[in-house]
Amino acid sequence: GAVVSQHPSWVICKSGTSVKIECRSLDFQATTMFWYRQFPKKSLMLMATSNEGSKATYEQGVEKDKFLINHASLTLSTLTVTSAHPEDSSFYICSARGQGSRNTEAFFGQGTRLTVV
Amino acid sequence: GENVEQHPSTLSVQEGDSAVIKCTYSDSASNYFPWYKQELGKRPQLIIDIRSNVGEKKDQRIAVTLNKTAKHFSLHITETQPEDSAVYFCAATTYGQNFVFGPGTRLSVLP
Repeated sequence: GAVVSQHPSWVICKSGTSVKIECRSLDFQATTMFWYRQFPKKSLMLMATSNEGSKATYEQGVEKDKFLINHASLTLSTLTVTSAHPEDSSFYICSARGQGSRNTEAFFGQGTRLTVV
Repeated sequence: GENVEQHPSTLSVQEGDSAVIKCTYSDSASNYFPWYKQELGKRPQLIIDIRSNVGEKKDQRIAVTLNKTAKHFSLHITETQPEDSAVYFCAATTYGQNFVFGPGTRLSVLP
């Protein structure tokens, strides 16, 4: 299957600082990328959908000024958690859909465990 | 929008028995239904999928069935093994749209 690489896999940051998470499609062009948040023992909650070259579409209740998403190229999307607080601690996962035969399936990154102290 | 429900939330079976997880969806336009397996701390991995023009698909010990009329689909795992223990998510989507995931089922296979 296609490869989606997410970096970093884990990060610890101080409250009030910002953290950037990268999601790269390594062997296909990701026209659409999704960012999810997953709480312990819970399902994947969609935060936002981003299409290359356009602004991200945020789900209801997700603060767009706090969770900045950039999808500047067909292989890279970034999620920046600004002014992080302990309640932002979570597992964040991206997924990507491609073009053509790669459009149907969603390929997931390995996830980023964010801990805000 | 699409809403996906999944049952049961937890399932324990003896090794060698079968496991069945069921999902229902609300949007009749959904046409692709993947199943993901997520082990603790790892990314979800696609294990099987089915499209709306097919009623059943099988891959070794794993099978998925789809009933478009009733808008439900099921995952069947036969001859379960301890390594099948994980959280399983179903999802529904249409071309170009977001995947809507079910709440997940935690499967425990007891030796």
